[in-house]
Amino acid sequence: QLQLQESGPGQVKPSQTLSLTCVVSGGSISNGGYSWTWIRQPPGQGLEWIGYIYQSGNSYYNPSLKSRVTISVDSSKNQFSLKLRSVTAADTAVYYCASQRSTMVRGVTYYFDSWGQGTLVTVSP
Amino acid sequence: DIQMTQSPSSLSASVGDRVSITCRTSQSIGKHLNWYQQKLGKAPKILIYAASSLQSGVPSRFSGSGSGTEFTLTISSLQPEDFASYYCQQSHSVPRTFGQGTKVEIK
Repeated sequence: QLQLQESGPGQVKPSQTLSLTCVVSGGSISNGGYSWTWIRQPPGQGLEWIGYIYQSGNSYYNPSLKSRVTISVDSSKNQFSLKLRSVTAADTAVYYCASQRSTMVRGVTYYFDSWGQGTLVTVSP
Repeated sequence: DIQMTQSPSSLSASVGDRVSITCRTSQSIGKHLNWYQQKLGKAPKILIYAASSLQSGVPSRFSGSGSGTEFTLTISSLQPEDFASYYCQQSHSVPRTFGQGTKVEIK
């Protein structure tokens, strides 16, 4: 079982860039059976998928955030990162990093099998 | 985007009750449906993947069924540690989407 741990500022000013890092332990980020994911949850609300990246560098983003998001991988440090630009109060949320595992069950299937504990990022002046 | 609709949004039940939560999708997703449990202040935890496969270490009182556009998570005998929120999530296509959640409370 992988362990993931988020880190980054707990507060960001409006219009600035939110930057978070997720360190992966218990396995290599270069494992081809995984993609590296960011998910967020505004206080008291549901879960929103932000995007994920494969070790190859191929990335997929939520269209609602695509113009502002970049996810990158640093294999040398076994970590991946999130940058969200031009933040507003609506971006206040707990941000989770997670591993999306791919496995063969009735064809290829995907699920988020390991999660970080989450980090609250508040956007305020 | 595939829209996910869970019902009910909340329910009250007693220890030992059988509980079912339904997830409907806006288009057919085969069996590409996962269920997560989230306790207050904690990260979600995978329970069921591919509609009906039990994640290792998850108690057998949890089960999943369904295919296409309608899915069900069932807890056969509710235990005190099961009071939490539950989310469905589709892995059929990008963007990945989640249901709005079902909060299971103590009656």
